[in-house]
Amino acid sequence: DTEVTQTPKHLVMGMTNKKSLKCEQHMGHRAMYWYKQKAKKPPELMFVYSYEKLSINESVPSRFSPECPNSSLLNLHLHALQPEDSALYLCASSQDQGKLYGYTFGSGTRLTVV
Amino acid sequence: QKEVEQDPGPLSVPEGAIVSLNCTYSNSAFQYFMWYRQYSRKGPELLMYTYSSGNKEDGRFTAQVDKSSKYISLFIRDSQPSDSATYLCAMISEAGTALIFGKGTTLSVSS
Repeated sequence: DTEVTQTPKHLVMGMTNKKSLKCEQHMGHRAMYWYKQKAKKPPELMFVYSYEKLSINESVPSRFSPECPNSSLLNLHLHALQPEDSALYLCASSQDQGKLYGYTFGSGTRLTVV
Repeated sequence: QKEVEQDPGPLSVPEGAIVSLNCTYSNSAFQYFMWYRQYSRKGPELLMYTYSSGNKEDGRFTAQVDKSSKYISLFIRDSQPSDSATYLCAMISEAGTALIFGKGTTLSVSS
């Protein structure tokens, strides 16, 4: 079992739906991340929340929006997605932006957009 | 040139073999190096991390970093079928805010 919990594990949504992915960690980490991973590709960074500051990958479309209600939770709100957004969405956390101890990843949410 | 290069394989070996996985990188500012293992449809799991150059050993796994050559390696001794997975290298600089990943190498160990 991972110490980063993601829900749901699977999600199927239509292109007009609004849904949210949730991520929670109780390790006291101050940095949390959302990554998108397509099949047979490495994870691609979407967002970083580090010490209450959001950093955005400029290439991420506005139909994805992160929310950090507190230091243990990181949500990803989804709206008007496209079929090409289907992927494994990974949440991760780290103690020090991943430098000394790496990231701890969740098991991911497998998203299918129909 | 991509920042991190990793041969995607696939790499197939018999059980008990020694496996060598490698990455090269172009950014000399990278100081922290990690190896992740990812099973199909699961999140990546941190296997090894090293700081700057040198070796680190943990059980059957050894990580090596050669900063002069911008080359990192992961060795797996006495490989097992349970080692069959995709192995991702990752690295970050002192000033960086997020890990940079290689493409991943798919390993298959047959019994």
